Amino acid sequence: ETGVTQTPRHLVMGMTNKKSLKCEQHLGHNAMYWYKQSAKKPLELMFVYNFKEQTENNSVPSRFSPECPNSSHLFLHLHTLQPEDSALYLCASSQDELTSGRGQQFGPGTRLTVL
Amino acid sequence: AQSVTQLGSHVSVSEGALVLLRCNYSSSVPPYLFWYVQYPNQGLQLLLKYTSAATLVKGINGFEAEFKKSETSFHLTKPSAHMSDAAEYFCAVSDGSGGQNFVFGPGTRLSVLP
Repeated sequence: ETGVTQTPRHLVMGMTNKKSLKCEQHLGHNAMYWYKQSAKKPLELMFVYNFKEQTENNSVPSRFSPECPNSSHLFLHLHTLQPEDSALYLCASSQDELTSGRGQQFGPGTRLTVL
Repeated sequence: AQSVTQLGSHVSVSEGALVLLRCNYSSSVPPYLFWYVQYPNQGLQLLLKYTSAATLVKGINGFEAEFKKSETSFHLTKPSAHMSDAAEYFCAVSDGSGGQNFVFGPGTRLSVLP
């Protein structure tokens, strides 16, 4: 048990569907992150929230829409995705963004397949 | 800006043999350095980290890494490989200032042969 949970663990969706990924942590952390992990590519940082405020958006297409209603929950809303968006989406958290340099705790990921 | 290279996308060792996974970094400031492990169908788990204290860092599962500033390296080692060590290993570097500056390497897949 990593302390960061993600649901669902697996998701298959068509290009016209709308779905959401959920991340939850009860570690008392105030920063949360979404990463994309594609085969044969380094981990890509997508979004960062620090104290519920989005601090970074790494040029992510608008078909990915993050939401952070509180410090414990992070969502990634998906709509009109493309097959190349198929990947493992990892959520992570840290005490706050400034301490992310001291390491982040990761969830197990959601394996997304876009048909 | 930080960057990380990992020499060898795939490393195979025999069970009981030495494990050596290479990591070289680039950073304009004194770095924080990390090794993470990812088992199949799981997220990343922190193995060990260097945060400017001792240059030889011991982590979980018998792994250790040595920070060598002159070589800008942070190689991961384990004296004797176990079958359970088969996984993907990621080196990461950060300047401690925020998420954007926490950079992962491309990863090295470790296979352990019986």
